Amino acid sequence: KNEVEQSPQNLTAQEGEFITINCSYSVGISALHWLQQHPGGGIVSLFMLSSGKKKHGRLIATINIQEKHSSLHITASHPRDSAVYICAALPPRADMRFGAGTRLTVKP
Amino acid sequence: EAQVTQNPRYLITVTGKKLTVTCSQNMNHEYMSWYRQDPGLGLRQIYYSMNVEVTDKGDVPEGYKVSRKEKRNFPLILESPSPNQTSLYFCASSFDSYNTGELFFGEGSRLTVL
Repeated sequence: KNEVEQSPQNLTAQEGEFITINCSYSVGISALHWLQQHPGGGIVSLFMLSSGKKKHGRLIATINIQEKHSSLHITASHPRDSAVYICAALPPRADMRFGAGTRLTVKP
Repeated sequence: EAQVTQNPRYLITVTGKKLTVTCSQNMNHEYMSWYRQDPGLGLRQIYYSMNVEVTDKGDVPEGYKVSRKEKRNFPLILESPSPNQTSLYFCASSFDSYNTGELFFGEGSRLTVL
C-alpha cells in the first residue's frame, strides 16, 4: 500500500464546476505539498501546508493532521486548470513521499 | 529571475557511459533534491541535501551519486547508466533545510539510456 493515496486518479469536469481532489497519507509528516504539473511537464508548487487551510485565488487547500488527510479544491474551474495535481507528504527527516497524481481535465 | 536550472534538458546516451546532470539555483536555498518521474510510478525522490556537504538517500538512490560542495549546485551523477534509468528527472530547491517552504522545480531533464 502506498504511503500517500490520492483520489480520484482521473477527473473530468465542466467549466465552472467545483472540484475536490483528496490526499490521504499514512506517515507522520511535518508538512504536505500540493503540486501542479502541466501537460508540458513543468511542475509548480501550489501550497505547502502544516495545518489548517490556505487559499490562493480559486484554489483552496486544507489539511487535517489528526485524520491524515488533505484536500485541494478548485472553485469555478477553467480549462486552464487542466493538469496533473500531485500531493507530497514530507516526513520530519525531509525525504518526500508522493501520491500518484490526479489528472484533471476541465472541458469548456 | 529566481530559478532552478537543469542541464541538459534532453540526453540520449548508451549503457555504461558516465554522465552528469547539473542543477543550479540562484535563490540561496538550503534544501535541494532530485526526483525521477516514470509512467505509472509517479515522482520518486532519489537524493536530497539539507545543506552544503549534507546529502541523504531518498526512495530510489541505487545507481546515482550526488554531491553538494557549494550551496547553489547539486549535480546528479550516473556513473554507469543502465536502460532502467531512462526517465524524466527533476531537480528542486526550497529555502529552509527541512523543505517546509515553497518548492521550486527545474524544467526537467529527459534522459534516454540505450
